[in-house]
Amino acid sequence: SQQGEEDPQALSIQEGENATMNCSYKTSINNLQWYRQNSGRGLVHLILIRSNEREKHSGRLRVTLDTSKKSSSLLITASRAADTASYFCAPGYSGTYKYIFGTGTRLKVLA
Amino acid sequence: GAGVSQSPSNKVTEKGKDVELRCDPISGHTALYWYRQRLGQGLEFLIYFQGNSAPDKSGLPSDRFSAERTGESVSTLTIQRTQQEDSAVYLCASSTRRAGGFLSTDTQYFGPGTRLTVL
Repeated sequence: SQQGEEDPQALSIQEGENATMNCSYKTSINNLQWYRQNSGRGLVHLILIRSNEREKHSGRLRVTLDTSKKSSSLLITASRAADTASYFCAPGYSGTYKYIFGTGTRLKVLA
Repeated sequence: GAGVSQSPSNKVTEKGKDVELRCDPISGHTALYWYRQRLGQGLEFLIYFQGNSAPDKSGLPSDRFSAERTGESVSTLTIQRTQQEDSAVYLCASSTRRAGGFLSTDTQYFGPGTRLTVL
């Protein structure tokens, strides 16, 4: 399968703590995206990292990419209850337009 | 501007009936995707439209599923003779598909989904 595999499947932390979730993928990619989904509805794009980038920041989000290990991580710093959601990675494989989403990481931030 | 809209937001139907789901993409977006998400699961790719090119239907689970899109506008996903396993949220997304390969910025903008329940 070409889907990204998120790890862990579920994560529960206290408000103010950092949350880290990981994504592994199969073959070479052009880029990799992270999305958030609240309450089982539409996904919201968070950040895109290209294959020649190693780290990218957006507000409290930090994404890293290690193409040698075919993995990416999403770090949410100083988490808030509103960050409670499912997070999905979507590898953009070379030679295809499809983004195959995995099963996601369900993050719960406790107030 | 307006985002991706989908209708209906919820649909309850009886097994064996046909249903039609609608997606209005963001104006100017050439690419349109349909996904299915069963409860607690990830997104299953169903079909992809890009401009006037032939759609990629490789994700459609059976011949009961079909989708249409006229040009770069509205798309409809039709499920014939619905089964209980068709119960899921059906998500539509559109994107601009700028360039390809390394420069691709295929950020997908998702609609709120249609929750289909087959009794």
